[in-house]
Amino acid sequence: DIQLTQSPSFLSASVGDRVTITCRASQGISSYLAWYQQKPGKAPKLLIYAASTLQSGVPSRFSGSGSGTEFTLTISSLQPEDFATYYCQQLNTYPRTFGQGTKVEIK
Amino acid sequence: QVQLQESGPGLVKPSETLSLTCTVSSGSLSSHYWSWIRQPPGKGLEWIGFIYYSGSTNYNPSLKSRVTISIDTSKNQFSLELSSMTAADTAVYYCATELRGGYDFFDYWGQGTLVTVSS
Repeated sequence: DIQLTQSPSFLSASVGDRVTITCRASQGISSYLAWYQQKPGKAPKLLIYAASTLQSGVPSRFSGSGSGTEFTLTISSLQPEDFATYYCQQLNTYPRTFGQGTKVEIK
Repeated sequence: QVQLQESGPGLVKPSETLSLTCTVSSGSLSSHYWSWIRQPPGKGLEWIGFIYYSGSTNYNPSLKSRVTISIDTSKNQFSLELSSMTAADTAVYYCATELRGGYDFFDYWGQGTLVTVSS
């Protein structure tokens, strides 16, 4: 299985901050990576696929980059509604696997 | 816009088999890969497996010996069976769609249903 390691696991930030989350894959996955946002008690919501393509309806302050084994999710200016847990997922091979999550909390 | 809704028991006894159904609204079962994902309380996401409308399946090797996913296109439903349940299987179970077409992603999710394994 391909292992995904996110860093940091926990992040404390303020509204307006620029936030970057990293996802590292245990082997190359080209650009077959997606990012999801999950709020408490809710299902994950797709933010980005193909490493850098913004899902329709997702605010442009979210962006993704990377290929191969290292990827980043950036929130350019953190908004109150962005406090949540973020997961990366690889879709290069089966079984599909997820990172362990990064919880973004209010400083 | 595809809508998904999980249904099934919230409590299962150890060693029993869990049966969950996902009902699909406003969509055709022939357009996506229909998946199950679970999330233990306070933990991360684990992909269980998928079924395509043709009936082809793919399961997570970690659960393969205990998992069966089936589909009923006449009812617009797909189902999960997980046998020999233990406390470690306590989780929120989500059904979701995987769109495949070059770059894949999980675009629609059900709200999730909490399944607790306890006697």
